[in-house]
This record gives sequence, structure tokens and C-alpha cells, in this order.
Amino acid sequence: SQKIEQNSEALNIQEGKTATLTCNYTNYSPAYLQWYRQDPGRGPVFLLLIRENEKEKRKERLKVTFDTTLKQSLFHITASQPADSATYLCALASSSASKIIFGSGTRLSIRP
Amino acid sequence: GAVVSQHPSRVICKSGTSVKIECRSLDFQATTMFWYRQFPKQSLMLMATSNEGSKATYEQGVEKDKFLINHASLTLSTLTVASAHPEDSSFYICSLAGGGETQYFGPGTRLLVL
Repeated sequence: SQKIEQNSEALNIQEGKTATLTCNYTNYSPAYLQWYRQDPGRGPVFLLLIRENEKEKRKERLKVTFDTTLKQSLFHITASQPADSATYLCALASSSASKIIFGSGTRLSIRP
Repeated sequence: GAVVSQHPSRVICKSGTSVKIECRSLDFQATTMFWYRQFPKQSLMLMATSNEGSKATYEQGVEKDKFLINHASLTLSTLTVASAHPEDSSFYICSLAGGGETQYFGPGTRLLVL
């Protein structure tokens, strides 16, 4: 069955360092992969989308990589700040018309 | 991106009560909206896809007679939890597809059934 794993349930790093979150998937061939941010008691907020034919995508301090051979995406936040503390979800879809499947999320804490 | 609102933000009710949750698109006409449920420390699980003017499509294991969805217009979808029980307590979130692959989520509704 299709499975998405975000390897770390929680990640705690020092302010200013680069946070790296991992998303692995099995039994799936996604057309694209997305990363969302979710704060406690709130709905997810879209951050970045990367397609299967793209290796890397950047947006300000955020960088996403997508390796369809390894079936893995890495999500990086450079120069991390306490305000970056949240749960980050990866999500996959096999096409624009298909439903999105979410990982269980990684709770990121940035300590001052 | 699209702005999505949900009402109410929090509901506490007695077991057996029916609860209606509204999801509104404030600046986008959405032919398709999605309803998710999220239990503590778990990810979002898609419950159903709401289609304007037609019946909702439910995911496997989701009872359509229990979770009634009505997509009354291009800006409003409602989810009614019929005869709610404590196990229905959860965080319910709606979203809409904003014309591409991205989904825009509402702020969520916390349901607590006593």
C-alpha cells in the first residue's frame, strides 16, 4: 500500500542553523510533491511544490529537493528562526486531479 | 492564494447531537472542496471530496450517512456530523483546489463530543 514517512516526529535545532526535514515514500509514483506548514490548532499553509521532473526548488530561506530514484524529498530551512517552529507536512499526488496524501508531519522547534 | 473560512472554530456538544460545520471560500469560486479529519499528532486524512451540484465522493471507511456533505454553491460546502459520538471528536479541516495542484485550507473546526 502507499506509504509516506516523515522520519522524524520531532526535530529540535539551534537558531541560525539549517533545519533539514525528510520525506520518504513507497509504492507511489507522484507527479508532484508539496510541503505545508501547520501551526497548532490551525489548518496547513502551502509552502512549496516540486514536480517529478524537477530536482530542486527554492523560495527565500526554503529549499526542497526531490529524488524520484530514492523516493525521497528533503526540505531545508536555512538561517532558522524561532518563528519557523511548527509542524511541517509533506504531501504527494499522482496528478493534478488526484487526491493529495499527507505524511504525518515533523514537529520542528527552533531554540533561541 | 484563496482565503477559506470555517465556522464554527470550536464546538462542544453532547453525544447524539448533530453538528454542522461550514466551509466558505471568500474570494474564489470552488467547484471542488475537500474535507479532512485530523486526530492529535496524526496527519490529515481525507474524508470526502465535495463537488458543487453533485454528490460528494467519500473515501473508503467514511460513512456517508454519518458525515453528510452538501456543496450548496461555489463558495459554500457544509459537513454535518450526524448523531455525533465521542469517537467523532477531532479536528475537521476543509480545503479547496485553487486552480492548480495547490490546496488552500481553512483554519479548522475543533469538535469535542462529550
